[in-house]
Amino acid sequence: IAGITQAPTSQILAAGRRMTLRCTQDMRHNAMYWYRQDLGLGLRLIHYSNTAGTTGKGEVPDGYSVSRANTDDFPLTLASAVPSQTSVYFCASSDSGTSGTDEQFFGPGTRLTVL
Amino acid sequence: GQNIDQPTEMTATEGAIVQINCTYQTSGFNGLFWYQQHAGEAPTFLSYNVLDGLEEKGRFSSFLSRSKGYSYLLLKELQMKDSASYLCAVIDSNYQLIWGAGTKLIIKP
Repeated sequence: IAGITQAPTSQILAAGRRMTLRCTQDMRHNAMYWYRQDLGLGLRLIHYSNTAGTTGKGEVPDGYSVSRANTDDFPLTLASAVPSQTSVYFCASSDSGTSGTDEQFFGPGTRLTVL
Repeated sequence: GQNIDQPTEMTATEGAIVQINCTYQTSGFNGLFWYQQHAGEAPTFLSYNVLDGLEEKGRFSSFLSRSKGYSYLLLKELQMKDSASYLCAVIDSNYQLIWGAGTKLIIKP
């Protein structure tokens, strides 16, 4: 079934630990995105990639890094987790990145708690 | 700064009609999306408007007025399954998507 998968579904992490959230899509979409969603706030873009091999910073990139070695995978790494990174993380993809006018398809999300 | 305003929460009755408003102030405009998000799930696409006017898609319609920086999502013949959050998002001049905080819609029988 075509779509986006994320792993893990949820995670409790000690502060200071390193963590990588995985995201894979099989729709051959060019663009991929990482968002965080916090109660009372809209989705906030962390990092994005318009095509394999390129990445860019979103609204809230500090403390996060990404890579895009191929079309399908877009992992998000927290180098040293802090409690303020407790959130629900959504990965998304769209057919075209630079135009920004294509709908985005979202993965099921990863619920991360940093203690 | 860029800003998108939506009501935090609305309540409506099953079978009725509800209108969810969205106003925006962004640096440029290249289109507006509405997404639906059920509790604990991912957002899913509902509609896209780039020209003024009404776009109808079954029970859901979306309206845009670019001169007023205003959009609304109209839901007809409400069903219990329509209980969800509805997210408004605007594409700015840099083709970045700016998201509103969402409107939680509660449907009562």
